[in-house]
Amino acid sequence: AQSVTQPDIHITVSEGASLELRCNYSYGATPYLFWYVQSPGQGLQLLLKYFSGDTLVQGIKGFEAEFKRSQSSFNLRKPSVHWSDAAEYFCAVVQAGSARQLTFGSGTQLTVLP
Amino acid sequence: EAQVTQNPRYLITVTGKKLTVTCSQNMNHEYMSWYRQDPGLGLRQIYYSMNVEVTDKGDVPEGYKVSRKEKRNFPLILESPSPNQTSLYFCASTRAPTDTQYFGPGTRLTVL
Repeated sequence: AQSVTQPDIHITVSEGASLELRCNYSYGATPYLFWYVQSPGQGLQLLLKYFSGDTLVQGIKGFEAEFKRSQSSFNLRKPSVHWSDAAEYFCAVVQAGSARQLTFGSGTQLTVLP
Repeated sequence: EAQVTQNPRYLITVTGKKLTVTCSQNMNHEYMSWYRQDPGLGLRQIYYSMNVEVTDKGDVPEGYKVSRKEKRNFPLILESPSPNQTSLYFCASTRAPTDTQYFGPGTRLTVL
């Protein structure tokens, strides 16, 4: 069965610093990978997704993620964090051809210091 | 405006009292899902639906029921709620499982 691991439960960075959130997946074939963000008291919003092709994908709000098949990873990055980026971030995977939709990681809570 | 709506947003109830959380989408999506979110566990899928009258279990279906009589609506039913069903619930819809999921605002349920 597919699974997603986000090893960092909580990350704290200073405003303006760079950010990398880790995501590892367990899956046999090439997965469809997503990053979603949940702001306090809100639903989830898609940041970016990877299906195939260029392994570096750009998303909204200045985020990007890189798919590394050899490491089974899909880490999320941002060069300079803004205070408004404080939120919980979820990595998710779906199996091609499956109707079961997303399997989520446990999430990483991001705190941004002024 | 494309959206997924859920009602109620907040609900406090007692053990054993049947309740329904409604979900509606206006995007003509075929696929809809229910998730529950618990601290440290992320979102776990409860049930999903591929189309009208077609539903299947997700990872944590025990204690829940769903129905899909119309394309736009996908209610979640708790026939006899228990305290371990206290959680934050999200409904989502999408054109296809590999496409972007659109999430509702969430329903925070407390079962006493």
